[in-house]
Amino acid sequence: KQEVTQIPAALSVPEGENLVLNCSFTDSAIYNLQWFRQDPGKGLTSLLLIQSSQREQTSGRLNASLDKSSGRSTLYIAASQPGDSATYLCAGLYNQGGKLIFGQGTELSVKP
Amino acid sequence: GAVVSQHPSWVICKSGTSVKIECRSLDFQATTMFWYRQFPKQSLMLMATSNEGSKATYEQGVEKDKFLINHASLTLSTLTVTSAHPEDSSFYICSASRSSAIQETQYFGPGTRLLVL
Repeated sequence: KQEVTQIPAALSVPEGENLVLNCSFTDSAIYNLQWFRQDPGKGLTSLLLIQSSQREQTSGRLNASLDKSSGRSTLYIAASQPGDSATYLCAGLYNQGGKLIFGQGTELSVKP
Repeated sequence: GAVVSQHPSWVICKSGTSVKIECRSLDFQATTMFWYRQFPKQSLMLMATSNEGSKATYEQGVEKDKFLINHASLTLSTLTVTSAHPEDSSFYICSASRSSAIQETQYFGPGTRLLVL
């Protein structure tokens, strides 16, 4: 069964800290791995997309890595800011079925 | 580019009524659209995949007679929740892609919050 898991479910950090969000997936036959941001009551904002042949992607203060062999992806946020407070979702796009399978999300709170 | 809108953004209805939610691709033609449901503090769960001009493919456990999906044009898909009940209260999000090819990006709408009283 294709499953995506995110730990922790919630995380609170002081402003300025670097932090890592974790995502694990059960089936290594993914086409790509995506990270999204969701603000309360809002839709999804795409942050980073890593193809299965890639190891990492960077955008500004965000860096996402992908290790297919271990079934893990991480989202690294440098110098966190209160504006980074949101729920972060990872999702694997699987070759079989071409479906996006989402993790449960990590609710991040960055305290000023 | 690649903007997806949903209407309404929120809706409150009485139990037993039907509610229609629209998903539109504003600046591109969307051959394929996806409908997701998200309960509070939970992840997005795919409900169904629709391709323009054909019947939607529903995920296991999703009642196709309760959640009617129509994808009659390349820019519009609708989800109708028939005979809504309080347990149908949820956040419904659609996404759209230019084709059904796996490499096509899914562009997400802003979501519709449904509250059934």
